[in-house]
Order: sequence, then C-alpha cells, then structure tokens
Amino acid sequence: GQQVMQIPQYQHVQEGEDFTTYCNSSTTLSNIQWYKQRPGGHPVFLIQLVKSGEVKKQKRLTFQFGEAKKNSSLHITATQTTDVGTYFCATDKLIFGTGTRLQVFP
Amino acid sequence: DVKVTQSSRYLVKRTGEKVFLECVQDMDHENMFWYRQDPGLGLRLIYFSYDVKMKEKGDIPEGYSVSREKKERFSLILESASTNQTSMYLCASSFQRMTSGGARQFFGPGTRLTVL
Repeated sequence: GQQVMQIPQYQHVQEGEDFTTYCNSSTTLSNIQWYKQRPGGHPVFLIQLVKSGEVKKQKRLTFQFGEAKKNSSLHITATQTTDVGTYFCATDKLIFGTGTRLQVFP
Repeated sequence: DVKVTQSSRYLVKRTGEKVFLECVQDMDHENMFWYRQDPGLGLRLIYFSYDVKMKEKGDIPEGYSVSREKKERFSLILESASTNQTSMYLCASSFQRMTSGGARQFFGPGTRLTVL
C-alpha cells in the first residue's frame, strides 16, 4: 500500500530563519494537500497541489509538487512566531504524513 | 464557514464500555471521515463515508464501527473500549472526494478520549 514519509519530525528555528518540510510518497499521487495544526487545535487546510512540478505561494509559504508527483515540500520564508504548529501533508489515499512540528524562538 | 462539531471535547470511559463519538457538519458535505491522532503517528484513518448509510474501512478499523443514518451526522462507535484506544479522535468532512481533487477536509475540534 501507499506509504508516506514526512521529514523532519521536529524543527526549531530562530524567528526570521527559513523552514522546510518534505513529504515523500511510495506511489505516484493524483494530488497532495497540506494542513497546519496549531498547538491544542485541529488541522486546518492550507493548500492542494495537483499538477506535476506545480509551485504555489501563499505570502511567506511556498508549496511545491515534484515532477514525478511523488514528493512535495512546504517552505516558509522568514518564520514568525505565528508559524508555530505541526504541518502535515495528506495524500489522495487519505494518508497523512506524521507531521513536522515547528517551534519558532523569538 | 463550514462548521464541524463533535459531541465532546474530553471523555473518560472505563475498559469494556461502549462509547459513542458524534460528529455533525452543517455544509451538506457528502463525505465524512474519522481519524485518530497519536503522538509521532500523525492522523490515521479509521472509517470514512461517501454517502448516507455507506461506510468504508480506513487503515485502522479494528475495534471500531460507524453509523451514518443522516447526511450531516457520522458516528464513531467503540463497541468495547480498551486502553489502547485512548487517543484524540478527529472528525472531518469534505465536499469532494480526495481522488477527484478540490477535496479539502474541514476538521472538528476533536475529542480527547481516555479509557481507564
């Protein structure tokens, strides 16, 4: 069956530094979604990527879908304390990555 | 705004008890899902439903059952609760299926279940 690996598991950064999380699937995906979960909260949808090589931006967040549609990344430029939380990818088979927990120190 | 509500925020039950977790969404979504979330394991799909009275097993259905008698309501049932079912349970709904694209899921606030 489809397996999803998300790395790193944790990332601690100084405010203003960049952050990237990666999601890798064992199978080709028709689409991939990204969610953010704040501490004590529930996952909130960020974006969906569908096309091979697709790049989408939301302010300081950049999302990429690999050419082979088996991997994806989320990059945050100049992190802020409001970026704190756990970032999950989710595949078309309803499989979520284990998440990357981001901690930002002021 | 889509609203997904869950019947309890916190729940404490004893081993062997039958437990009902209720989820209601108010946006006429066809699709509803139940996940459990455990540290280091992310979200794992228990059951999902693409229509009323329809249910499909997810990755970890053992020890659980579900009921979808009305479109807006999806219930998760633990027939005989066990300590390894202590977890955060998250319900979600979506307008489209994940395979068709555009299927963002809206999550409820979660129920933290403790089985003693």
